[in-house]
Amino acid sequence: NAGVMQNPRHLVRRRGQEARLRCSPMKGHSHVYWYRQLPEEGLKFMVYLQKENIIDESGMPKERFSAEFPKEGPSILRIQQVVRGDSAAYFCASSPRALTYEQYFGPGTRLTVT
Amino acid sequence: DQQVKQNSPSLSVQEGRISILNCDYTNSMFDYFLWYKKYPAEGPTFLISISSIKDKNEDGRFTVFLNKSAKHLSLHIVPSQPGDSAVYFCAARDGSSNTGKLIFGQGTTLQVKP
Repeated sequence: NAGVMQNPRHLVRRRGQEARLRCSPMKGHSHVYWYRQLPEEGLKFMVYLQKENIIDESGMPKERFSAEFPKEGPSILRIQQVVRGDSAAYFCASSPRALTYEQYFGPGTRLTVT
Repeated sequence: DQQVKQNSPSLSVQEGRISILNCDYTNSMFDYFLWYKKYPAEGPTFLISISSIKDKNEDGRFTVFLNKSAKHLSLHIVPSQPGDSAVYFCAARDGSSNTGKLIFGQGTTLQVKP
């Protein structure tokens, strides 16, 4: 049973470009969380999605960030017009059911904005 | 508003000795507490959890203690091994939330010297 997969592992973007981060949850998991880790900080919750639904996006910046988890395919975190402050490690976690603390993390995508 | 705090950024311990990592929280609605271990360039890996109705949970070399009145928890690793060297994150789930999102501390870097 493959774990949570994220790609790309490293992504370099110039200021103003778009970044797309992908997350494939574990098999059988239909719940996805995205977290961001800024340098020297802990992970901060961004958004929680179930298949085709955004359940909680309270941690996501209101502008430039969006997330989706379509019926088919991976979950996507999209950052438009990236700025230097978006440079961080972005982790995706999946879980098998709702309202559980049981979350399995992917290896992360390290985004660098130049 | 840092609801989960790990006040020690780093800890160095001799192999074979006990490692004690500490975590404080402010939100009395947290119902589960977890410890994650993270190696560089990898995602967090679940170590051990404890429900807010318990005061101790043990799994092999790892024991977590919860003091609800002090809003404090600690992770004990006995005996410590060089392979335990990693960043350790304390996390908590808000039981009043409908999402299961986790709130993380800033992390403590543990170094176990041979």
